[in-house]
Amino acid sequence: EDQVTQSPEALRLQEGESSSLNCSYTVSGLRGLFWYRQDPGKGPEFLFTLYSAGEEKEKERLKATLTKKESFLHITAPKPEDSATYLCAVRDNMEYGNKLVFGAGTILRVKS
Amino acid sequence: NAGVTQTPKFQVLKTGQSMTLQCAQDMNHEYMSWYRQDPGMGLRLIHYSVGAGITDQGEVPNGYNVSRSTTEDFPLRLLSAAPSQTSVYFCASSYSVQSPLHFGNGTRLTVT
Repeated sequence: EDQVTQSPEALRLQEGESSSLNCSYTVSGLRGLFWYRQDPGKGPEFLFTLYSAGEEKEKERLKATLTKKESFLHITAPKPEDSATYLCAVRDNMEYGNKLVFGAGTILRVKS
Repeated sequence: NAGVTQTPKFQVLKTGQSMTLQCAQDMNHEYMSWYRQDPGMGLRLIHYSVGAGITDQGEVPNGYNVSRSTTEDFPLRLLSAAPSQTSVYFCASSYSVQSPLHFGNGTRLTVT
């Protein structure tokens, strides 16, 4: 059974204090690992897709990396507007359709 | 473009009542799906559709029905509401089964 575990559950940072979020996964055959950002009262907003170990994607202060067992979302010099819940999800090549298996998320708070 | 639109934003039901959550997308996406989000858990797939006239069950389908008569609309019906169905419901769509999902802003449902 596919599993996605995110850590930590919550993270509090000072503005400018860089850190990383972890996403560990177990799938029979990875067809994509996805990172989403979710603001309170909103739906998840797509950030990145990673497909193979060693792949990296960047967007502003965010950088996502992928290994065979986990993914990291690195946040460099965060700002208060980066505060949100970050969700990780995987798509298994054994599943029909575009089903994503999600982790429970990491709640990030950045204080100025 | 409006993207994925969900109505209503909030709903309170009594046990045993039925209702339909509406979802519409204006991106001409073939794939649509419904997820529910509960505290401390990842989003879980309820039902999905790979095109008009085609639907299938996700991992938590019991108590819910769907239909897909047009490409744009994918309503979710609760047949007889139960307190266990108290949750936030998200509709999502994608261009294909390999594309990232785009989410609506959710419907918060409370069943008393």
